[in-house]
Amino acid sequence: DADVTQTPRNRITKTGKRIMLECSQTKGHDRMYWYRQDPGLGLRLIYYSFDVKDINKGEISDGYSVSRQAQAKFSLSLESAIPNQTALYFCATSAQGETTYTFGSGTRLTVV
Amino acid sequence: QKEVEQNSGPLSVPEGAIASLNCTYSDRVSQSFFWYRQYSGKSPELIMSIYSNGDKEDGRFTAQLNKASQYVSLLIRDSQPSDSATYLCAVNLEYNTDKLIFGTGTRLQVFP
Repeated sequence: DADVTQTPRNRITKTGKRIMLECSQTKGHDRMYWYRQDPGLGLRLIYYSFDVKDINKGEISDGYSVSRQAQAKFSLSLESAIPNQTALYFCATSAQGETTYTFGSGTRLTVV
Repeated sequence: QKEVEQNSGPLSVPEGAIASLNCTYSDRVSQSFFWYRQYSGKSPELIMSIYSNGDKEDGRFTAQLNKASQYVSLLIRDSQPSDSATYLCAVNLEYNTDKLIFGTGTRLQVFP
């Protein structure tokens, strides 16, 4: 099994729908991150969490929310999806004091 | 000014040549610098990290850091077609946090 698992791998949803992307990890890392990737824009940080009780906005948090249900689980929600949220979404983890990330395989989200 | 800047490319080099990828960053107190390789549709994978000024070599890869010039580069010697990918520069911009900011990536094409 992968160290960082993202579900679903691919998803097509309609404008206005609520959707949740899930991330779980077996690394034992306390830091977890959600990034989105768009062509030409690189990876942009949406939200990050340094432990279960710590949630922080990244550079592009508008339209998104997150939940850290446990140390191993970090979910990203789009409350009302819009087409410009079509992107490749990555979850990543790291251990405290380290900036070496472990990435999940990504979720390709299409909003139509 | 973007916090981490890279030329988007594509950078095209012949097989066997040296590929040189460059990255500049805005924060003088940055401590940690990383190069990730990303194949199309896949998750980023770490190939090099560097923390102090100078060169760091690992196989065919050499990372170079110049903090005074706020510049980090990646050299790939004896480039192979399998090196064709997007290379992401990542910088730990905020002192004493584990948050990474990524550049937009440089697409490298190695042709036979």
